[in-house]
Amino acid sequence: SQQGEEDPQALSIQEGENATMNCSYKTSINNLQWYRQNSGRGLVHLILIRSNEREKHSGRLRVTLDTSKKSSSLLITASRAADTASYFCATDARAGTALIFGKGTTLSVSS
Amino acid sequence: SQTIHQWPATLVQPVGSPLSLECTVEGTSNPNLYWYRQAAGRGLQLLFYSIGIDQISSEVPQNLSASRPQDRQFILSSKKLLLSDSGFYLCAWSGVRGGEAFFGQGTRLTVV
Repeated sequence: SQQGEEDPQALSIQEGENATMNCSYKTSINNLQWYRQNSGRGLVHLILIRSNEREKHSGRLRVTLDTSKKSSSLLITASRAADTASYFCATDARAGTALIFGKGTTLSVSS
Repeated sequence: SQTIHQWPATLVQPVGSPLSLECTVEGTSNPNLYWYRQAAGRGLQLLFYSIGIDQISSEVPQNLSASRPQDRQFILSSKKLLLSDSGFYLCAWSGVRGGEAFFGQGTRLTVV
């Protein structure tokens, strides 16, 4: 089954720096989404980008999608300590099919 | 507004005991429902996916089962737990056409 694979697995940065996480997937997709998970909690949706979109912004988040390379990136600008969490990409093959998650990137932002 | 309830939050069960985790959704109808499992420090493994009552697909072979007795209720069960069933179980729902998924707070299951 298709699956997003994020890299790096772990990322440590200082407050104020930008954080970039990448996601690669194997087969064609309908949408690609990014989620955040604080330790021991459920996931929270951050942003969705459709397969016919190339870039999307939401606050300090910027997501790009390159369907020819089957990859996406999530950029968090001006990181804060509160951004410390795990970030996952997720894809679905067609509308209404199961959402498949990658293994995630653990981001640590130190003040 | 839509909400999702998942319980219990934590559970410690002996090997060989049964399991029942419940998830309910409020404020929406005919949701797509998911059960995921997350091992410590790992990604989410899709266990079950349901697009309607009596329409449940199993993604991996295991000793777990899922049922959907009502439109907005999703239950994860096991007749006999294994040590390897320990993990963090997450229920989620999305709309009929997919899109954004909304997650419960998870159940931390420890099989001893």
